[in-house]
Amino acid sequence: DTEVTQTPKHLVMGMTNKKSLKCEQHMGHRAMYWYKQKAKKPPELMFVYSYEKLSINESVPSRFSPECPNSSLLNLHLHALQPEDSALYLCASSPRQDPNTEAFFGQGTRLTVV
Amino acid sequence: KQEVTQIPAALSVPEGENLVLNCSFTDSAIYNLQWFRQDPGKGLTSLLLIQSSQREQTSGRLNASLDKSSGRSTLYIAASQPGDSATYLCAVSPSDTGFQKLVFGTGTRLLVSP
Repeated sequence: DTEVTQTPKHLVMGMTNKKSLKCEQHMGHRAMYWYKQKAKKPPELMFVYSYEKLSINESVPSRFSPECPNSSLLNLHLHALQPEDSALYLCASSPRQDPNTEAFFGQGTRLTVV
Repeated sequence: KQEVTQIPAALSVPEGENLVLNCSFTDSAIYNLQWFRQDPGKGLTSLLLIQSSQREQTSGRLNASLDKSSGRSTLYIAASQPGDSATYLCAVSPSDTGFQKLVFGTGTRLLVSP
C-alpha cells in the first residue's frame, strides 16, 4: 500500500462551522505534513509532524489546528475559517524525519468556505 | 529565503515531441530536488527524486538532471503523449532544517495534443 488517503475529497463549510480533514497512510511513515495550495499557486507548507509530535508550524493561524493521534493518522481541525482559506489542502508523508526521503502526497481535500 | 522558479509557465506541443522543462532555485544548500506531476484539482504524484550528490535520475521516458552549484534542474520528457498533459512542479528540500520542508516552484502547465 503506497497511498496517502485524504477525506473528504470536497468540503463546503460556513464561517461559523467546525469541520475536520483526515489523512491516513499505512506505509509506516513517521513524518506527515499538511500543505495548502491556492488556485494556480504552488503548495505551501503548513505543518510537519515527526513521530506524532508537531515539529514545524509555519506561522499558521490558530483557526487551523493539527492533530496526530497515531503514526498513521493526521487530522486538521478547522474553526471560524474565512473565505480566503478556500484552497486545496494536501497531506503528505515520508518514511522518517530524514529530509533526503521521498514525499508521497494524497489527492487533497478541496475546501470552500462560504 | 529559497525561491524556486520554473520556465516556461505553460507549454503546448504536438504528440511525439521531446521537451524540456526548467527549474531554478536561488540557494544551492539543498538536500534534494523532486519533480512532481499534478492533474487539475488533484494531488501530487512524485516522478523523480534527485539527491544533492547526484547529477541525474531516469524513470521510463523521464530524465531529470541537477546542477546544484548553478541552482538548476531540467526535466526531459521523451516522445510526449497526450496523457502527459498536466502541471509539472519541481520542489527543493532546503538543508537548513532537519525535515523535508519542500519549497515548490511555480509550475509548468503542459498540454500535449494528439
